[in-house]
Amino acid sequence: SQQGEEDPQALSIQEGENATMNCSYKTSINNLQWYRQNSGRGLVHLILIRSNEREKHSGRLRVTLDTSKKSSSLLITASRAADTASYFCATKGGSQGNLIFGKGTKLSVKP
Amino acid sequence: DVKVTQSSRYLVKRTGEKVFLECVQDMDHENMFWYRQDPGLGLRLIYFSYDVKMKEKGDIPEGYSVSREKKERFSLILESASTNQTSMYLCASSLYEAGTGEAFFGQGTRLTVV
Repeated sequence: SQQGEEDPQALSIQEGENATMNCSYKTSINNLQWYRQNSGRGLVHLILIRSNEREKHSGRLRVTLDTSKKSSSLLITASRAADTASYFCATKGGSQGNLIFGKGTKLSVKP
Repeated sequence: DVKVTQSSRYLVKRTGEKVFLECVQDMDHENMFWYRQDPGLGLRLIYFSYDVKMKEKGDIPEGYSVSREKKERFSLILESASTNQTSMYLCASSLYEAGTGEAFFGQGTRLTVV
């Protein structure tokens, strides 16, 4: 059962440009999280935005949440080659233990 | 620094073997999870545990079992490995119920069943 769906599936940009990734979800949420995964590695938590928040910042990351449209976006400003990774949104699933991830956006930042 | 450690980065096993994937966390977290990640399918929850000796099935528990005898350790067991269990396996832990707070992931185990 998939909750989050990221868009685009892949994104290629030049260093210094901004990267925007979108996530749509299906059911109501208490919060939405974004994670990053470097190739062949585990996931790293980036940011959590609560359902009563519209925007949140963390360093070069900006996350927005529109609960009326059931969507969120992750903006990475002034991207670097080191930002090359896959990015996933995640929301709580139906059962107690389930954190449901989308399929991710694969970001490639060229130097 | 918080840490979730999986016992192996890469593992190659033969069909029919019993396989143990171990995961240890040092954060005293109640909740631990096992996911598998496959291209085009994303992450799928296999099992989770919210307390010692407690376990719950996730979306794809068939062919797997788990063990949580101590709070810090959560083991995934493939009773009789099959080629369709070739995958990346990710362990995670969190202080709060899934989706309420941050989850911490191990580095992953890439399992190949031949």
